[in-house]
Amino acid sequence: ETGVTQSPTHLIKTRGQQVTLRCSSQSGHNTVSWYQQALGQGPQFIFQYYREEENGRGNFPPRFSGLQFPNYSSELNVNALELDDSALYLCASRGTGYGYTFGSGTRLTVV
Amino acid sequence: AQSVTQLGSHVSVSEGALVLLRCNYSSSVPPYLFWYVQYPNQGLQLLLKYTTGATLVKGINGFEAEFKKSETSFHLTKPSAHMSDAAEYFCAVTRTGANSKLTFGKGITLSVRP
Repeated sequence: ETGVTQSPTHLIKTRGQQVTLRCSSQSGHNTVSWYQQALGQGPQFIFQYYREEENGRGNFPPRFSGLQFPNYSSELNVNALELDDSALYLCASRGTGYGYTFGSGTRLTVV
Repeated sequence: AQSVTQLGSHVSVSEGALVLLRCNYSSSVPPYLFWYVQYPNQGLQLLLKYTTGATLVKGINGFEAEFKKSETSFHLTKPSAHMSDAAEYFCAVTRTGANSKLTFGKGITLSVRP
């Protein structure tokens, strides 16, 4: 198992900019989810992809979008960044069971 | 809809004392339940999970949790706290299905006093 890796680990962006966060899932894990964790809060579900198709979305605006690729990697894109988008973004992958494996996250700061 | 309630945001115990972190859930279908631990500036690590079968689940680092359907609870326990247990603990719920998602509680910070 190679685990779930996310890049970059830290990122500072200016309000209004766009950002792309990346995730490399465990081999064989066809489901990938993205979560936003604000300071002092539990993770909030953004969306989920299964075999490159979005199959679930949380209460986040359309400026949050994603992609999943055949090589088990995925991206989270956020357009028109707002100050409230500052958070830890977590990627999680899942195989056929219900053992979600999380990456270490990307800390995004919007100034 | 599913939800998780973790009562209290902070629990402090002495080293060697019992750890009890409470989690109550709400789910309209049979739930799958999880406990995750998060150390500072890190991601989430799975401690244990309940899907089906035995309601007492043993996890890593000496933790265990018991699924009690009648009480809609999934409390996390450890008989003897260690300094290294100091972290943030999250309870989460999901349901069966390809598009299932994890719904997390707000988390509990565990402090361990020497």
